[in-house]
This record gives sequence, C-alpha cells and structure tokens, in this order.
Amino acid sequence: AQSVTQLGSHVSVSEGALVLLRCNYSSSVPPYLFWYVQYPNQGLQLLLKYTSAATLVKGINGFEAEFKKSETSFHLTKPSAHMSDAAEYFCAVSVTGGGNKLTFGTGTQLKVEL
Amino acid sequence: DTAVSQTPKYLVTQMGNDKSIKCEQNLGHDTMYWYKQDSKKFLKIMFSYNNKELIINETVPNRFSPKSPDKAHLNLHINSLELGDSAVYFCASSNSGGFNQPQHFGDGTRLSIL
Repeated sequence: AQSVTQLGSHVSVSEGALVLLRCNYSSSVPPYLFWYVQYPNQGLQLLLKYTSAATLVKGINGFEAEFKKSETSFHLTKPSAHMSDAAEYFCAVSVTGGGNKLTFGTGTQLKVEL
Repeated sequence: DTAVSQTPKYLVTQMGNDKSIKCEQNLGHDTMYWYKQDSKKFLKIMFSYNNKELIINETVPNRFSPKSPDKAHLNLHINSLELGDSAVYFCASSNSGGFNQPQHFGDGTRLSIL
C-alpha cells in the first residue's frame, strides 16, 4: 500500500524567506504525487502534481516541487514566502490500480511571520 | 459558479439522529468521492463512485450510505449519528482518465454531534 509522510506538522518562516515543506512517499509501483493547500474553512486546492512527465513540477502561486526517486521525496518549495501563503499543506499519493484513491499525509501548517 | 458544492456547510445535531449531506459538481467529471477530515486535519477517503457505480468503500461503518443518482451528484446519508462522526466531510470530483487526474474539492460540511 502507498503512503506519504510529511515531516514537520508546523513550519514557520519569515515573509520573503524560502519555504520548504517536506514529503516522502512509499510505493511499490510508480506513484503520482500531489500537493494541495487548504485555507481556513475551505476545501483543498491543487497546487501541483507529478505524473512522471518531468521531475521538477511548477505549480500555482510560485510553488514548485521536485520528484527524487532515489530519495523517495517530493518536497514543496517557494523562493519567497508571502503572508497569503499561510495555510495547511497536504502531500498526497495515488497509484495505478488504486481506484484513483488519494492517500494524504498528515499535513503541514505553514505560518508566515512579518 | 462553484465547481463542487456541498450542502449544508454546517450541520449540528444530536447523537442518534439521521442526517444527509448533498454534493453536486458542474465540472463534467465522472468520478466523485467523499473524504472525512478529523479534528487533527487528517484526511481519509470514505467512498468513490464512477458513473454512479461504487468503486471504493474504505471500511466505513454501515451507518454511512452514499448514493449517486447521477454522475454529477453524490450524497452521503448517515444513520444513528455518534460522537465520533464529528468531523469535516469533503466531497471531491475528478475525471477517470488516469490515476494522475487531480481531484477538485468542495468547501466541506462541518458536522458537530452534541
């Protein structure tokens, strides 16, 4: 069965600083990986997805993630944090034969300070 | 126009009652899902329907019964509500064209059991 682990349930950065949210996956078959963002009292919004076309994936709002098979990682980064980036971020995995079921990590709360 | 809409947004009820949550999507997708998000923000899939057929049922108690009258609607009925059912329930939809299809989420229904 596939799974994802998000290291750090809370991350705090200063406005303008680099954002790095960590995600490691476990899967016996090639995975499809996603990052979603959840703002307070809202649903999840797709930031970006990895589907084997390119290892460096660019998403919305200046975020990007790099798929590293050797490290089984899919970390999310943004060069310069903005106050509006404060939210909960979820890494998720799906695999062929899994019924398009998303398996989510436990989430990382990003706080952006002045 | 809201892509995935859920009603009601908030639901407060007594233990033992029966309640329903409705979901509609106008994205033309053929697959719909229900997820449960607990108080620690952990998201777990409950059900998935493809063209009105149940394809995922993740060991959810029988008190939960999904119904899909057509591929644009997926409702969730819960019998004999228990304290542990308090959570945010998210509806989502996607195309079934591959396991890399992103899912689009509604804003959630916040269920509180008194």
